Amino acid sequence: AAGVIQSPRHLIKEKRETATLKCYPIPRHDTVYWYQQGPGQDPQFLISFYEKMQSDKGSIPDRFSAQQFSDYHSELNMSSLELGDSALYFCASTTGQGDTEAFFGQGTRLTVV
Amino acid sequence: AQSVTQPDIHITVSEGASLELRCNYSYGATPYLFWYVQSPGQGLQLLLKYFSGDTLVQGIKGFEAEFKRSQSSFNLRKPSVHWSDAAEYFCATEYGNKLVFGAGTILRVKS
Repeated sequence: AAGVIQSPRHLIKEKRETATLKCYPIPRHDTVYWYQQGPGQDPQFLISFYEKMQSDKGSIPDRFSAQQFSDYHSELNMSSLELGDSALYFCASTTGQGDTEAFFGQGTRLTVV
Repeated sequence: AQSVTQPDIHITVSEGASLELRCNYSYGATPYLFWYVQSPGQGLQLLLKYFSGDTLVQGIKGFEAEFKRSQSSFNLRKPSVHWSDAAEYFCATEYGNKLVFGAGTILRVKS
């Protein structure tokens, strides 16, 4: 069965560079969530989209932005990267129609050096 | 705000022994509760979930969890742990259409 696909799996960037993380939800899932998990931390909610519109916003820095496209994939754009942005970034998808089981991708490990 | 607490940061059990991981929730109404497992460097895999109904929930990999309203708990159990169960386990609840995770419990299995 198709799962949530995230790319790239690993990314190394220097401080002040930009990064773009991509998430491809499970087919027919219209809701996407982004989470950030720092080293030894629990996942923290960043932002979510439903039907290509932002539906909720968590602790996402102003340097980050995200969007969901017409094919429901989502991209998280991160600018002016800081060392503290090094983390595992997860994407999850659901149908958004009362089905609250979220399926997670394997994550993108971002390392800022 | 709705939240979950996992009081144990690390737990070590012997292979073949029983396991119970604790999770307490804070919410007046019936919450949606989940247990996820994360192997090192991997994504989160859903073990089981509770929305309503039967308070004993069966999940994958031989795990089960029991919702106890009187104790505000949703503890994860397994009767016999395998070495491959070593991972980090997260309890989560739904709040505002998003998941809120506990701090996680790292399970070590000794042979």
